[in-house]
Amino acid sequence: SAVISQKPSRDICQRGTSLTIQCQVDSQVTMMFWYRQQPGQSLTLIATANQGSEATYESGFVIDKFPISRPNLTFSTLTVSNMSPEDSSIYLCSAETSPGGNEQFFGPGTRLTVL
Amino acid sequence: SQKIEQNSEALNIQEGKTATLTCNYTNYSPAYLQWYRQDPGRGPVFLLLIRENEKEKRKERLKVTFDTTLKQSLFHITASQPADSATYLCALVRNTDKLIFGTGTRLQVFP
Repeated sequence: SAVISQKPSRDICQRGTSLTIQCQVDSQVTMMFWYRQQPGQSLTLIATANQGSEATYESGFVIDKFPISRPNLTFSTLTVSNMSPEDSSIYLCSAETSPGGNEQFFGPGTRLTVL
Repeated sequence: SQKIEQNSEALNIQEGKTATLTCNYTNYSPAYLQWYRQDPGRGPVFLLLIRENEKEKRKERLKVTFDTTLKQSLFHITASQPADSATYLCALVRNTDKLIFGTGTRLQVFP
């Protein structure tokens, strides 16, 4: 299993600024992912965070808007750049301890409000 | 495009009864299907995984079925309790380990 923490847990930001969300796992994991969950909605995958290489983004999400880092097997960051009110959402990271479609462990999420 | 539908309306049942949640999908043949529970203000928590060659999976009071012909999975909670009240999400797994989540069904178990 894996225990995942995220920082910050919530933030209120001004339009046009950027916020970096940190995701820390208590053990080394193979895969890490970033999701967005808008109020009352389900989770949408933003990207797969690849260790040592560029993240793999899903359709509708681009690196300039959501740059991601993954410097090692336990840590990743997601930056929400040049924010607008439409970016208000909950951002969650997850990790998979062994590849092959197995269970993912999720962090508690970061609730972002953009004014 | 891939579409995963769950009961959009909340499911309200009485304690002790069996809750049955539905997950229907189109335009895709998943290798696996997973079910998660999500409580307000928290991330999803994994419950069960079922593979395409499995018809049924059980874990304590939980049972999942997977019908690849109907493109449907059913999630059952027997002897339901108020503590089972939460939103339940199904997710399809592609061969790249990526999860595609359904819309979720909110379950309310009342005493």
